[in-house]
Amino acid sequence: SQKIEQNSEALNIQEGKTATLTCNYTNYSPAYLQWYRQDPGRGPVFLLLIRENEKEKRKERLKVTFDTTLKQSLFHITASQPADSATYLCALKTGANNLFFGTGTRLTVIP
Amino acid sequence: KAGVTQTPRYLIKTRGQQVTLSCSPISGHRSVSWYQQTPGQGLQFLFEYFSETQRNKGNFPGRFSGRQFSNSRSEMNVSTLELGDSALYLCASSLVPGEDTQYFGPGTRLTVL
Repeated sequence: SQKIEQNSEALNIQEGKTATLTCNYTNYSPAYLQWYRQDPGRGPVFLLLIRENEKEKRKERLKVTFDTTLKQSLFHITASQPADSATYLCALKTGANNLFFGTGTRLTVIP
Repeated sequence: KAGVTQTPRYLIKTRGQQVTLSCSPISGHRSVSWYQQTPGQGLQFLFEYFSETQRNKGNFPGRFSGRQFSNSRSEMNVSTLELGDSALYLCASSLVPGEDTQYFGPGTRLTVL
């Protein structure tokens, strides 16, 4: 069966450290993978997109990697700040133009 | 530009009732998608509309339906509500279907008692 798993439901890290979130998938052939941020009571906000033929993408303090052999994406936030505390969702877009989401990782950055 | 707006923000209904939720996309966006978000299942795709036509549909029962109007505004309807329909219903808009980036509204929190 198809599955998208995000490594942990919750992750706590100290301010200033690098947060690393994992997204693993099985039985999908993604055209690309996206990462979203969701704050309580709000809809997800798009952060980054990485295509199947790309290994790494960066945007300011964010970095995403995509390994289609391992079927895994890693999402890094460097120099984390308390304002980065939120739930982060990965989503796969398939060739059939459907978007499938993971259940998210709730990140808490402790001052 | 104003973002995606959804009304109402909160709704309480009882089992067996029906409900209609509304979504106004970002001005100029013509594609609207609907999602259901629950703690157990996460975000699940319901359907997508473009030019008043349903283009894509997720794996939900026929009690879930939607439509899109000529101004791109969209509504979704759930009939014969069940307790398990309690969820955050999100809509997202993009210029056209298949766009890399879609913009989500704040959602409608539906509670079924």
